[in-house]
Amino acid sequence: AQTVTQSQPEMSVQEAETVTLSCTYDTSESDYYLFWYKQPPSRQMILVIRQEAYKQQNATENRFSVNFQKAAKSFSLKISDSQLGDAAMYFCAYRESTLMNRDDKIIFGKGTRLHILP
Amino acid sequence: DSGVTQTPKHLITATGQRVTLRCSPRSGDLSVYWYQQSLDQGLQFLIQYYNGEERAKGNILERFSAQQFPDLHSELNLSSLELGDSALYFCASSVRISGANVLTFGAGSRLTVL
Repeated sequence: AQTVTQSQPEMSVQEAETVTLSCTYDTSESDYYLFWYKQPPSRQMILVIRQEAYKQQNATENRFSVNFQKAAKSFSLKISDSQLGDAAMYFCAYRESTLMNRDDKIIFGKGTRLHILP
Repeated sequence: DSGVTQTPKHLITATGQRVTLRCSPRSGDLSVYWYQQSLDQGLQFLIQYYNGEERAKGNILERFSAQQFPDLHSELNLSSLELGDSALYFCASSVRISGANVLTFGAGSRLTVL
């Protein structure tokens, strides 16, 4: 079964600095999708960034970028120029890609709580 | 507003009772997912429906059931409630973006069992 592991329960970063959140996953599939979701104190789940496994280029969304290492099954999230509004729980998630797309549940890691220090 | 509507936002009930959580997906989304998030925990996948049919099942207890109706809204029924069922229950619907089903979440229904 696919699993997603986030080994850092909590992290802190100074405002305006850069922080990297780690995520590893286990799968025997070659084609899949990876996501980072953010959950601020409001508890709303918000998509931050996604990555298709067949793409070698790392995804980027403004201050958020990923380091996708397929062979190592690693998918880290880098937040540049951290802002107070980035304080949240961050979840890494995995979805298998199938031709039929019949079972497309998304598996989440346990999350990393990110604190931004002013 | 994500476009996914969940009701009620908050619910307080007693052990042994039964509750129904309701979800309306984004317009045009055919898939509905239910997740459970206990205090400071990750999201546990419960069940997925696609256009009225059950598509995938996760760690859903036998006391829990769900369905998706012809108008695509979904209901999650929780019965014989226990203290440990207290959690935030999320509904999400999906839209395909470049081949990936991207989940859009509702605001959640917070269930407290006393």
